[in-house]
Amino acid sequence: QTVVTQEPSLTVSPGGTVTLTCASSTGAVTSAYHPNWFQQKPGQAPRALIYSTNNRHSWTPARFSGSLLGGKAALTLSGVQPEDEADYYCLIYYGSTVVFGGGTKLTVL
Amino acid sequence: QITLKESGPTLVKPTQTLTLTCTFSGFSLSTSGVGVGWIRQPPGKALEWLALIYWDDDKRYSPSLKSRLTITKDTSKNHVMLTMTNLDPVDTATYFCAHSTLGAGFDYWGQGTLVTVS
Repeated sequence: QTVVTQEPSLTVSPGGTVTLTCASSTGAVTSAYHPNWFQQKPGQAPRALIYSTNNRHSWTPARFSGSLLGGKAALTLSGVQPEDEADYYCLIYYGSTVVFGGGTKLTVL
Repeated sequence: QITLKESGPTLVKPTQTLTLTCTFSGFSLSTSGVGVGWIRQPPGKALEWLALIYWDDDKRYSPSLKSRLTITKDTSKNHVMLTMTNLDPVDTATYFCAHSTLGAGFDYWGQGTLVTVS
């Protein structure tokens, strides 16, 4: 069974920069896996942020950027705002199936 | 404007079958490249992808749940249905449906519906 691993939790100061990563148990994540990133706040549905590695949706603030880093998918938040405190999930496409990561709880403190 | 909304029972007994309906607007499931997926989230836990159906009736399932899931669509009613058999208390979760396009992931989500198995 394929497992997608994220940092369980990260803390960042307001105005700072933080990078969340997403690793695959099958090996290096490449653009062929079309990694996606989602933000979820308590009691809300997930909100899509990034698709196909590094493409922002029309509503995604420019401070969110996606990339590949050391064989993992990565989401970088630059100039973090208090409202960025949330859970973040990555998603990887494996051909005919899709797997979500376990999520990263981002604290802005 | 794309919207999706999940509906179905809120309480199901163990061993019963669950049928959820996703009613959507703002797009057509007969348009090339478009799909609708189902994702669930147990209380306090991570998202789990369940199934996905595309405009051409191509269906994809989570390998771990494939034997229990059936996804279907009714294009004329703008509905996508998910059936899950043999429910267990561990299936208690909020179930979401989401719009999908090839290469652009799940971009629009419903609000979710909480299903309790007890």
